[in-house]
Amino acid sequence: QLQLQESGPGLVKPSETLSLTCTVSGGSVSSISGTRYSWGWIRQPPGRGLEWIGTFFYSGTTYYNPSLKSRVTMSIDTSNNQFSLKLSSVTAADTAVYYCARHPDLDYWGQGTLVTVSS
Amino acid sequence: QAGLTQPPSESKDLGQTATLTCTGNSNNVGDEGAAWLQQHQGHPPKMLSYRNNNRPSGISERFSASRSGNTASLTITGLQPEDEADYYCSAWDSSLSARVFGGGTKLTVL
Repeated sequence: QLQLQESGPGLVKPSETLSLTCTVSGGSVSSISGTRYSWGWIRQPPGRGLEWIGTFFYSGTTYYNPSLKSRVTMSIDTSNNQFSLKLSSVTAADTAVYYCARHPDLDYWGQGTLVTVSS
Repeated sequence: QAGLTQPPSESKDLGQTATLTCTGNSNNVGDEGAAWLQQHQGHPPKMLSYRNNNRPSGISERFSASRSGNTASLTITGLQPEDEADYYCSAWDSSLSARVFGGGTKLTVL
């Protein structure tokens, strides 16, 4: 059974960089049973809806939410079966539960990790 | 970033049928269809259907999805107390090269 788990600091200071890692177990980020998948990040501010952050496609192309594009970097580490998110210059508006998920069908999700931006 | 449109709330009686809608455009819902997600308070979303009525194993047959033009629908039959949750739709927008979400519908089972 494929499992995803987010990890990273739960508290980040304003203007600093938020860094999260998603570890995939029970399958490979490269391919599963010969099928290549895409991976990405989605966040949910407290009491609000889901917001797409970005998707790393198996083709090697990465797409980001235009509203976050200037601050977001995603990368994949196939040797450690992980993919990562970096969001720079954070403000209180970036406080949210951050989820990693398998794309495009969003069929597997991590449990989510709450990141609070506060001094 | 343009999103998908969902009614914010819906209320139905136990045992009834609820139909939730999600409206987009020809670049997203009308193109590849929508995924439907269920989220209970304090839990991550769970995918109920992807790209229109492709229901993964383990998801009850009471959940069925369809699409007509640029509107996707999720029908839940025989409503149960555990169906009370937030429901989100999502699609890839080929014009924006971005994934878009609906604002979510809060379903209350009376």
